[in-house]
Amino acid sequence: NAGVTQTPKFQVLKTGQSMTLQCAQDMNHNSMYWYRQDPGMGLRLIYYSASEGTTDKGEVPNGYNVSRLNKREFSLRLESAAPSQTSVYFCASTRGTSGGRGQYFGPGTRLTVT
Amino acid sequence: AQRVTQPEKLLSVFKGAPVELKCNYSYSGSPELFWYVQYSRQRLQLLLRHISRESIKGFTADLNKGETSFHLKKPFAQEEDSAMYYCALSSGNTPLVFGKGTRLSVIA
Repeated sequence: NAGVTQTPKFQVLKTGQSMTLQCAQDMNHNSMYWYRQDPGMGLRLIYYSASEGTTDKGEVPNGYNVSRLNKREFSLRLESAAPSQTSVYFCASTRGTSGGRGQYFGPGTRLTVT
Repeated sequence: AQRVTQPEKLLSVFKGAPVELKCNYSYSGSPELFWYVQYSRQRLQLLLRHISRESIKGFTADLNKGETSFHLKKPFAQEEDSAMYYCALSSGNTPLVFGKGTRLSVIA
């Protein structure tokens, strides 16, 4: 099992450009999450999908959109990137909704917006 | 609303010294608490779950409902313990809530 995979690993964008971060899991998990990690801010939830076909906003959803393509895949889209979106983005998944058995994380995408 | 507080951004200890990473939470129900660890430039990994009452890599954590705390402890720190540690809370059917993290630095 590969667990949770993310692409790309690194990306540099110019202000105003768009891009999609891809995430996939092969553990048959129901719930998937997107976080951003910034120094001193910890992990902040952007969006999550409790099950296939549903998505909900997290703590910091502005400037992002998500798509739960199927049970395995959950993508994060930046329509018009801003320097404030420079961050490390982590995807995670878990069997249940609340993460009671613990979340499994991807390796992260390091995004720089200039 | 659920909240997780890790009061220390950085904790430096000498190798062989005891370690205690503090975590306090606010939640009116019965929470599930977790510790995650992130080694340099790696993904977050689950370290401990309070319901498992286990010891991983020498670390233990006890849920104290009276003090609403879930501190992470290790009697003798090792250099390889240097990492970022996150405390997290699970409640009902909502996503995990994470603290801001504590960076542990073990000095040789």
